[in-house]
Amino acid sequence: EDKVVQSPLSLVVHEGDTVTLNCSYEVTNFRSLLWYKQEKKAPTFLFMLTSSGIEKKSGRLSSILDKKELSSILNITATQTGDSAIYLCAEAAGNKLTFGGGTRVLVKP
Amino acid sequence: DGGITQSPKYLFRKEGQNVTLSCEQNLNHDAMYWYRQDPGQGLRLIYYSQIVNDFQKGDIAEGYSVSREKKESFPLTVTSAQKNPTAFYLCASSIDRSSSYEQYFGPGTRLTVT
Repeated sequence: EDKVVQSPLSLVVHEGDTVTLNCSYEVTNFRSLLWYKQEKKAPTFLFMLTSSGIEKKSGRLSSILDKKELSSILNITATQTGDSAIYLCAEAAGNKLTFGGGTRVLVKP
Repeated sequence: DGGITQSPKYLFRKEGQNVTLSCEQNLNHDAMYWYRQDPGQGLRLIYYSQIVNDFQKGDIAEGYSVSREKKESFPLTVTSAQKNPTAFYLCASSIDRSSSYEQYFGPGTRLTVT
């Protein structure tokens, strides 16, 4: 059975801090690894990673995939209170996504 | 304005009643999905459909049923057989029916069964 594990479960930081979130996966027929941000309702798409070692960047957020280690990290630099959310990673394999349990991030002013 | 709509936003039902959650998309996507999210947890796949008139069970299909009579619509019925139906339900769609890739999510329906 495919399994996606995220760590830490939750963390609290102060504005300006850097956050690193981890996602590990065990999967056959791997296609890609996706990151989503969920604030109150619908998850919104952040990144899709298919190739190992190539960093994807969007503003203060960046993510990279390590296929050898079967893992990915999501970095958020210079955090703001608006970054407070649940961050979900998911692996795409076959015809579906399998989500991890998410990391809840709280950024305090 | 393209997107996915789910209705209602909040739904309350008595135990033993079936309830149907609506999901509509005008993105012309082939694939549609239903997920369940419990407090503090990630998303778990209930059912998915890659094409009209076809759907497959996800990881937690027991107690749920779906239909896909139209490309735009993928309603989910929570039956009385579902033991713990209270949860947040999310519908999603993706353009490619052969793979899930990027999925677009609706705003969700919060179902409370008492």
